[in-house]
Amino acid sequence: AQSVTQLGSHVSVSEGALVLLRCNYSSSVPPYLFWYVQYPNQGLQLLLKYTTGATLVKGINGFEAEFKKSETSFHLTKPSAHMSDAAEYFCAVSVGYSSASKIIFGSGTRLSIRP
Amino acid sequence: DVKVTQSSRYLVKRTGEKVFLECVQDMDHENMFWYRQDPGLGLRLIYFSYDVKMKEKGDIPEGYSVSREKKERFSLILESASTNQTSMYLCASSPGWGANTGELFFGEGSRLTVL
Repeated sequence: AQSVTQLGSHVSVSEGALVLLRCNYSSSVPPYLFWYVQYPNQGLQLLLKYTTGATLVKGINGFEAEFKKSETSFHLTKPSAHMSDAAEYFCAVSVGYSSASKIIFGSGTRLSIRP
Repeated sequence: DVKVTQSSRYLVKRTGEKVFLECVQDMDHENMFWYRQDPGLGLRLIYFSYDVKMKEKGDIPEGYSVSREKKERFSLILESASTNQTSMYLCASSPGWGANTGELFFGEGSRLTVL
């Protein structure tokens, strides 16, 4: 069965520091992988996605993630944190490629930025 | 831009009441989803629909039903609300087969409190 594990429910970094949010997945078939961000009192929006091809994926707001099949990981990084990055981040895996592909979400990581 | 609109951002209901949560999308997407979001649990799929009048149970369908009479509208129904259904409810949509990379487009959420 497919699953997603996000390590760390809460991560706190200083402004300007590296952001690293960890995600590991389990999938019996090549997965599609996603990172979504949720700002307070809003729905989720897509940060970036991996489908096929290049394993280093760049997203919005300076975030990127690398698909590592050997490690079954899809960690999210940003070189320099901004105060506006404070939000909750969800890793997700797509199960199957049918018309109603089912998305499985991790439990989320809340990112706090210290001034 | 894709817009997914949830009719109510905040609702307060009493135990035993029937509750309707409405969701409308304007991008002619085939697939629509209802998720429930709770702290530490991430997003859990309640129901999804891949066509008008079609519905499929997700991971936690108990206590909920859905209706999709028109392509753009997907309603979540709580027949008899209970306190353990106090939560954030998120509606999402995605394109159908051929255009589907698994990416979901979310509404802003409906925060339901059952007293």
